[in-house]
Formats: sequence, structure tokens, C-alpha cells
Amino acid sequence: EADIYQTPRYLVIGTGKKITLECSQTMGHDKMYWYQQDPGMELHLIHYSYGVNSTEKGDLSSESTVSRIRTEHFPLTLESARPSHTSQYLCASRGWDTNQPQHFGDGTRLSIL
Amino acid sequence: GQNIDQPTEMTATEGAIVQINCTYQTSGFNGLFWYQQHAGEAPTFLSYNVLDGLEEKGRFSSFLSRSKGYSYLLLKELQMKDSASYLCAVRAGTGGFKTIFGAGTRLFVKA
Repeated sequence: EADIYQTPRYLVIGTGKKITLECSQTMGHDKMYWYQQDPGMELHLIHYSYGVNSTEKGDLSSESTVSRIRTEHFPLTLESARPSHTSQYLCASRGWDTNQPQHFGDGTRLSIL
Repeated sequence: GQNIDQPTEMTATEGAIVQINCTYQTSGFNGLFWYQQHAGEAPTFLSYNVLDGLEEKGRFSSFLSRSKGYSYLLLKELQMKDSASYLCAVRAGTGGFKTIFGAGTRLFVKA
């Protein structure tokens, strides 16, 4: 069973607030990812990391930022939330070998009022 | 460019067999994954193919033809709980790092 945790599970917050979504994994995985997914729609990669001090932007333009100071921790920050940020955010990690699948957290469902 | 195609929706009957197809065009190929995603939940890993042929795992099997850029997921003895989206994902690129997800096929299993 994968050990990857996201908090909070649900967040409803007003426009303009700074938000940090937490993601932690206990598997020692170097590779971590953030995806955005609207209900019934496809996954969009917004950020990824190869390892500590490595972060890259994904395919979907995002106003969020990420950091990777520790292997197990990959937080996502929105400096000023807007209603267009309302979505589900999924964090994932995987091992180094190419045959390793991604393990997903339960997600954070974010609603910006 | 990189592209993965799957049917948007499929409907099948409980107890039947259903085949979900996936075609892909990517730069480099380092394996193909199938994930299951129930509504409102995270994707969970089902299967992995990197060589041509069929991989069987209980009621689920996955097939790959690299020369045709084609895979399918076969679900046997369908159960109501199999109603979910099924995502085809290709690990592409020379470093095998980037995973490209298809939009998913929403499967409805009816009684």
C-alpha cells in the first residue's frame, strides 16, 4: 500500500488568500508530481521534481509554486487564490526505475469563493 | 507531438467482458500503464506493459503492441464496482521520466 498523504482533503477559502497544499510520502521516492484535475476531466501536470532542490513546471500553466527541500515533502503554494483555482489537486510520487507506477495521494479539493 | 487516444465512454453489462482501447504517439517509449479512478478518488495502478504481449492479473489483462502504438485493457466478469474511469498512461522520452496521461475512458457497468 502506497504511503503518500495530502492535507487538507477539502479547503474552502476566500479570494486573495495565500494557500499551501501539503504532500508527504514515506517511500523515499525521488520523483514527485502535482496534477490538477477538474471533475470528470483529465489530469494536467502542473509541477514535478526529480529530487531535493529540483523543481520543474509541467504542461499546464499554473500560478502556483512548489519547493523540494526534503525528499519526503513537496508542498504547493498559491500566493493569491482566485476562483479559477477551484479544482482538485493530486500529488503523486514514484520510484526511480521506469517500470515503477505513480502512487497518488487522496487529493485536495479546493474551492475559492 | 505527444498524443494518447481513448474512447470517452463505454457501457457494459455485469458479468460481461469489456475491452478498452488506447492508441498513442509519443517521443520515445518506456512503458505503458493503466490506472483505475473512481469518481472523486485518486487513480490507482492496475497494470504495466513494456514488452509486446499480454499481461494478466486476475480479472484484468493488458495488451501492448509497440509497433502499432496500441494497447488495450480487458476486464472480465464485470462487477458493478468496476464502474470507473480507466486511464492509459505512457512513460515517454529518452530518460523515461515524463508520463503522459490519456483523458480516460469512463466505464458504466449496468445490471
